[in-house]
Amino acid sequence: QSVLTQPPSVSAAPGQKVTISCSGSTSNIGNNYVSWYQQLPGTAPKLLISQNNRRPSGIPDRFSGSKSGTSATLDITGLQTGDEADYYCGTWDSSLGGVFGTGTKVTVL
Amino acid sequence: QVQLQESGPGLVKPSETLSLTCTVSDDSISRYYWSWIRQPPGKGLEWIGYIYYKGSTIYNPSLRSRVTISVDTSKNQFSLKLSSVTAADTAIYYCARTPAGPPYNYMDVWGKGTTVTVSS
Repeated sequence: QSVLTQPPSVSAAPGQKVTISCSGSTSNIGNNYVSWYQQLPGTAPKLLISQNNRRPSGIPDRFSGSKSGTSATLDITGLQTGDEADYYCGTWDSSLGGVFGTGTKVTVL
Repeated sequence: QVQLQESGPGLVKPSETLSLTCTVSDDSISRYYWSWIRQPPGKGLEWIGYIYYKGSTIYNPSLRSRVTISVDTSKNQFSLKLSSVTAADTAIYYCARTPAGPPYNYMDVWGKGTTVTVSS
């Protein structure tokens, strides 16, 4: 049971947009930066977004992150079949240390 | 390009100690924070803890009594020990580079992970 809540699944057709939410509290998201990770089936997680909205080199601008108050959002535009994966948000919690969200499975219809 | 590789036994008996090592290649461990994360079968990610290259550590409170993370700068490695394991500790264990601690605490390079099963 994570302190960061994500929808279990989201889906959309190729080319469309999906939005994944990550809800927390003032103990975590409200006072710390949020990162996002993509985990393709059978592989290790990969950093997509750091510091709320920064993309590492090599990450397409189809992926964007934002934060407002105690919630964060990952948007994926121009959805592709290769985007089918599990997505996790992460941040720091003042009591728990590092925390991850519950995870969201993205399905391309 | 920096690479991380986990190594250690894939099978540990209940009540024994799980020991894993992460070897860092093409980067100096004498910078950054270095983290351990695990993922039970079919479940989400769980942060275990991290170590700063100078030796300071922070652990997940739920595991703190059983976890030790250490660093060996001469070998460019850091290690995880988890004592008194049970079946609930069965998971894929990942090591990761963490460029900065809180309030940032993101992992920008991950190892491929190693599966550890706790069973007699």
